Amino acid sequence: DAGVTQSPTHLIKTRGQQVTLRCSPKSGHDTVSWYQQALGQGPQFIFQYYEEEERQRGNFPDRFSGHQFPNYSSELNVNALLLGDSALYLCASSLVGGNEKLFFGSGTQLSVL
Amino acid sequence: DQQVKQNSPSLSVQEGRISILNCDYTNSMFDYFLWYKKYPAEGPTFLISISSIKDKNEDGRFTVFLNKSAKHLSLHIVPSQPGDSAVYFCAASLTHSGGGADGLTFGKGTHLIIQP
Repeated sequence: DAGVTQSPTHLIKTRGQQVTLRCSPKSGHDTVSWYQQALGQGPQFIFQYYEEEERQRGNFPDRFSGHQFPNYSSELNVNALLLGDSALYLCASSLVGGNEKLFFGSGTQLSVL
Repeated sequence: DQQVKQNSPSLSVQEGRISILNCDYTNSMFDYFLWYKKYPAEGPTFLISISSIKDKNEDGRFTVFLNKSAKHLSLHIVPSQPGDSAVYFCAASLTHSGGGADGLTFGKGTHLIIQP
């Protein structure tokens, strides 16, 4: 039973570029959430996708956008990268409306130079 | 404005003793609380949770206590083992499921070090 998988594991970009991160949820899960974890901080909620739609968004600008596909996998896109976007990006999956706890992937470490 | 606070960045405990990790929150609307454990280069792993209608939940060596009036929760690990060395995150949710649309609000984490 595959858990949450994320790709790539590491990524280096320069300011102003755009990046796409990918996530496949745990088998049987239909909801994907994205979190940003800056160095020395806890994960911070970016947004959640269910039924291919964004359900809720945390305090992140529109430069952060996402998508969910019919197979429940998801992408996180960040445009016009800033140095402050350097962080670990975590994907988590769950079942909507159930009592499932979030299952996290190992994350994508993004460095913006 | 940090709604979930873990005021101890690190904690060192001797193997076999009790580890107590603390967490405070400010938003009285939170109704579900979780603890996650994170090893380096891995994502957080769910450890234990508690609903706001309870004051204690136990799972093996792990017990979480909730004091709603003080807006405080704690995680007890007894006995502490070397494999418990990790960063522990306290998280809170506005929905009972913990996977609600509002997401989880995390603290900054406490690095627990178990000494032999």
